[in-house]
Amino acid sequence: GEDVEQSLFLSVREGDSSVINCTYTDSSSTYLYWYKQEPGAGLQLLTYIFSNMDMKQDQRLTVLLNKKDKHLSLRIADTQTGDSAIYFCAEPAGNQFYFGTGTSLTVIP
Amino acid sequence: DTEVTQTPKHLVMGMTNKKSLKCEQHMGHRAMYWYKQKAKKPPELMFVYSYEKLSINESVPSRFSPECPNSSLLNLHLHALQPEDSALYLCASSQAAGSRTEAFFGQGTRLTVV
Repeated sequence: GEDVEQSLFLSVREGDSSVINCTYTDSSSTYLYWYKQEPGAGLQLLTYIFSNMDMKQDQRLTVLLNKKDKHLSLRIADTQTGDSAIYFCAEPAGNQFYFGTGTSLTVIP
Repeated sequence: DTEVTQTPKHLVMGMTNKKSLKCEQHMGHRAMYWYKQKAKKPPELMFVYSYEKLSINESVPSRFSPECPNSSLLNLHLHALQPEDSALYLCASSQAAGSRTEAFFGQGTRLTVV
């Protein structure tokens, strides 16, 4: 399978920006995705980026893609307590999706 | 409607029971997936159905038996499970397998095997 790596934990103060990083392996991926999982819930698609883009902004979310380094990041501006969750990056490869190890974001009031 | 509906939300079953998990989507997606997720871990793929045919079985034990009766429904039949099978079972769908479009996930079934 594909190795999709993320740092495990991130803690930020409410109102600050959060940056969650991901490295992936399949350079042929056409799209890359970010999912959010709140405790006890399923995965919610947050945003995605097409592989020919460097950046995509969607309200408080900014996705940056560095194809050369196979590095993806998700920036959350003005982080709120409701943003506390586990964030997974995901890349499609073959007939399936490969998920990163997940980053647990804790927002401190 | 971008919803994938899973039932039941919670299930407790004994090791000799037979039960089924159900998943439904009405987005016209032709690929459906079962994932298993342990606490604080990423989802692990179990099965992929593409156009109602099983296309991937990730070496899942035979006590898990998937079924895709039609393009909108996906079932997971459970029999003689072990306590280590306790997990969150997630269903997902996408326009096609090997998809270049996003997968949508249900809220999962929290399964406890006693």
